[in-house]
Amino acid sequence: GAVVSQHPSRVICKSGTSVKIECRSLDFQATTMFWYRQFPKQSLMLMATSNEGSKATYEQGVEKDKFLINHASLTLSTLTVTSAHPEDSSFYICSASLPSGSPTFGDTQYFGPGTRLTVL
Amino acid sequence: AQTVTQSQPEMSVQEAETVTLSCTYDTSESDYYLFWYKQPPSRQMILVIRQEAYKQQNATENRFSVNFQKAAKSFSLKISDSQLGDAAMYFCAYRVYYNQGGKLIFGQGTELSVKP
Repeated sequence: GAVVSQHPSRVICKSGTSVKIECRSLDFQATTMFWYRQFPKQSLMLMATSNEGSKATYEQGVEKDKFLINHASLTLSTLTVTSAHPEDSSFYICSASLPSGSPTFGDTQYFGPGTRLTVL
Repeated sequence: AQTVTQSQPEMSVQEAETVTLSCTYDTSESDYYLFWYKQPPSRQMILVIRQEAYKQQNATENRFSVNFQKAAKSFSLKISDSQLGDAAMYFCAYRVYYNQGGKLIFGQGTELSVKP
């Protein structure tokens, strides 16, 4: 149980285009999802917290207009990298946690397998 | 602000031996969770073990156990009978219980290699 998927797993795009990454909780409803960015050999950097039906909360230094996050349902959150540039190339990971009413709220975040974005 | 520090960028262990990975954190909160996650070359984050701050008993999961010292703000991971499949990047993480959306704060990571 508690499986999170991401799609696509890899994407290569041209500079200036937009790329959408999907994050789905497959067997549970996730009111809160998180988006991370990870550079090689480095730790995960939280980009934003996404709550179903409301605006995402971005971490300091993360451009809201470049990284658009939508959490339209309890099982789906999307990250759109707008007007991507080579410096946006990275590994993007999402995670999901159980609803606040769950007896295990405040417990574990379940991670997707990640998406490798390469901007040419 | 909460911080998590892993002071060992790299560690190495012989197969079947025991290794301990260090983690310290800083917080003013009294209720929180601590986690160890494993990230193998596939880059899928895998939960290894979790600890609730209000529990004094150290968590254990098969070959993995922690030494949780709340007063010292220390949370080390012990891997017993190390296996080749344990080779990975290990991240210590802290999670505020309810505030800030329950986001995770990660340490810098420790890359563990296992020698056959």
